[in-house]
Amino acid sequence: QVQLVESGGGLVQPGRSLRLSCAASGFTFSDYVMYWVRQAPGKGLEWVAIISYDGSNTYSADAVRGRFTISRDNSENTLFLQMNSLRTEDTAVYYCARVPASSYYFDHWGQGTLVTVSS
Amino acid sequence: EIVMTQSPATLSVSPGERASLSCRASQDVSSNLAWYQQKPGQAPRLLIYGASTRATGVPPRFSGSGSGTEFTLTISSLQSEDFAVYYCQQYDHWPTFGQGTKLEIK
Repeated sequence: QVQLVESGGGLVQPGRSLRLSCAASGFTFSDYVMYWVRQAPGKGLEWVAIISYDGSNTYSADAVRGRFTISRDNSENTLFLQMNSLRTEDTAVYYCARVPASSYYFDHWGQGTLVTVSS
Repeated sequence: EIVMTQSPATLSVSPGERASLSCRASQDVSSNLAWYQQKPGQAPRLLIYGASTRATGVPPRFSGSGSGTEFTLTISSLQSEDFAVYYCQQYDHWPTFGQGTKLEIK
């Protein structure tokens, strides 16, 4: 079965960096576009970044552009999110999510990893 | 950005009754609309895509309808496990989510 397992979250000070990982299994990882989606405490859902099948195309939401970088290693079936210059407003649970071919809803989600940005 | 507006924010319904949740898009998204269920401490779960197609394993008591700018998620006979927060999401352009409807036990 499809599994997405995030790791790397934690408590970090404003201005510092953090790298999240998402280990994928149960499907051919290199066949799928992947997203990072976040949810601030008690709030709704917000997409953060998207990456194409082979990693050649990426795009980030306005709120994180220039600070966050999405990447993937298809040989290791792993998705990454490098987060630099973190701000308190980046505090959220970060989910990796898969989108099915030719569409952009999220058919599978990881369990999430909490990032807390605080001094 | 397409703004998704869900109503009501909270819906109180008794088990066994029918619940209808609404979602409105700020512009036409055709049928590019999905619904998710989220329980406390869990990730969202896909229920409906294409406005009306149930995802794998979703019980038939869940149904979606609508197109363009107006959408509805209907749960025909509420079970205890259905009390959760529900989000709609459009994917006609860059994905955006509604703010959620909390379905609570009356």
